[in-house]
Amino acid sequence: GQSLEQPSEVTAVEGAIVQINCTYQTSGFYGLSWYQQHDGGAPTFLSYNALDGLEETGRFSSFLSRSDSYGYLLLQELQMKDSASYFCAVGGRDDKIIFGKGTRLHILP
Amino acid sequence: DVKVTQSSRYLVKRTGEKVFLECVQDMDHENMFWYRQDPGLGLRLIYFSYDVKMKEKGDIPEGYSVSREKKERFSLILESASTNQTSMYLCASDGYSGANVLTFGAGSRLTVL
Repeated sequence: GQSLEQPSEVTAVEGAIVQINCTYQTSGFYGLSWYQQHDGGAPTFLSYNALDGLEETGRFSSFLSRSDSYGYLLLQELQMKDSASYFCAVGGRDDKIIFGKGTRLHILP
Repeated sequence: DVKVTQSSRYLVKRTGEKVFLECVQDMDHENMFWYRQDPGLGLRLIYFSYDVKMKEKGDIPEGYSVSREKKERFSLILESASTNQTSMYLCASDGYSGANVLTFGAGSRLTVL
């Protein structure tokens, strides 16, 4: 089966950098993706990693190590609007896409 | 932009009622998914479909069924609603085979009394 582990909450200061980790177990791994969800809203896609290494999209970066079954989302120059829940998700050979339980990011002024 | 539309934003039903949740996407995506989201439990996969008339069970299919008669439409059915099915239901579609770049609908919050 598939399972993902990520911290339930992370707190950081406005303007700082924060890293949200995700470890996973899956068969036939295709890739790791990240989603952001604000309170009352739907999840929105942030990034996707199929190969090892770092993918950068503006202030957000995502990293994957397939050998360690590990990835992280890095948020730089934190803004108050980044306060949200962040989910990692894995896709596998069976076409399932499974999500972690989410990390609530609190940003202090 | 891909748009995924869920027919009902809020529903209130009684125990034992049959419930239909409709989802339509407008970008010719192959894959469609139904998740439920509960506090502290994240998004849990109920069913997904990779083609018309095809369906696959997710991690929590019990008490649910689905229908995909047309490519753009994926329906979630609760044959006999129960109170433990009170939840937020999220539909998503994915046009990239082998990747997981999901576009979600706004969600349907179902309350079963």
